[in-house]
Amino acid sequence: QQPVQSPQAVILREGEDAVINCSSSKALYSVHWYRQKHGEAPVFLMILLKGGEQKGHEKISASFNEKKQQSSLYLTASQLSYSGTYFCGTVYTGGDMGFQKLVFGTGTRLLVSP
Amino acid sequence: DAGVIQSPRHEVTEMGQEVTLRCKPISGHDYLFWYRQTMMRGLELLIYFNNNVPIDDSGMPEDRFSAKMPNASFSTLKIQPSEPRDSAVYFCASSARGREGMAQYFGPGTRLTVL
Repeated sequence: QQPVQSPQAVILREGEDAVINCSSSKALYSVHWYRQKHGEAPVFLMILLKGGEQKGHEKISASFNEKKQQSSLYLTASQLSYSGTYFCGTVYTGGDMGFQKLVFGTGTRLLVSP
Repeated sequence: DAGVIQSPRHEVTEMGQEVTLRCKPISGHDYLFWYRQTMMRGLELLIYFNNNVPIDDSGMPEDRFSAKMPNASFSTLKIQPSEPRDSAVYFCASSARGREGMAQYFGPGTRLTVL
């Protein structure tokens, strides 16, 4: 039931772009994106609440395709500070009691080099 | 505003001992989550509370784990007795309804090592 992220790892040079994908086998209500640096806690980036929604955060943006049960995170003109592990977190449709339950994806390790 | 506070930051204990992890959520947040992170299993939700009431504890591994939230500003996760396979980083997170939906804000974590 854990959403699958791809790629598992990516290495970029500063200034390059990357796309991280998150795919679910179950219908989604919303998708969260978090970044975790080594030895630190995950940090919230953004949440997508509606199918087809796109959001941006500095040079990091994301899209959510409700029909395909997928979300993608776009990192443009990457900076050294973007290095870390990116996790999607999915909230499945159905069930009020489970409304807030996030299931985190497998993670994508991103390394940006000078 | 202070973020989520967890204590201790590091805990080393011997198998069979009781371990208590503590969490203070962000003031005004009405959801509190306990997660466990390991290399093998990733980031797993153990239990979450809404308004101090446990809503979903299906992720709690077994009866050795228990969690309480006696008031809006404090929660504990207890492991008794502890086992080496409990070694992990335990995160507490909190959230509230807002413009950003239900973003979760994580504490710094407790790194638990059971020998």
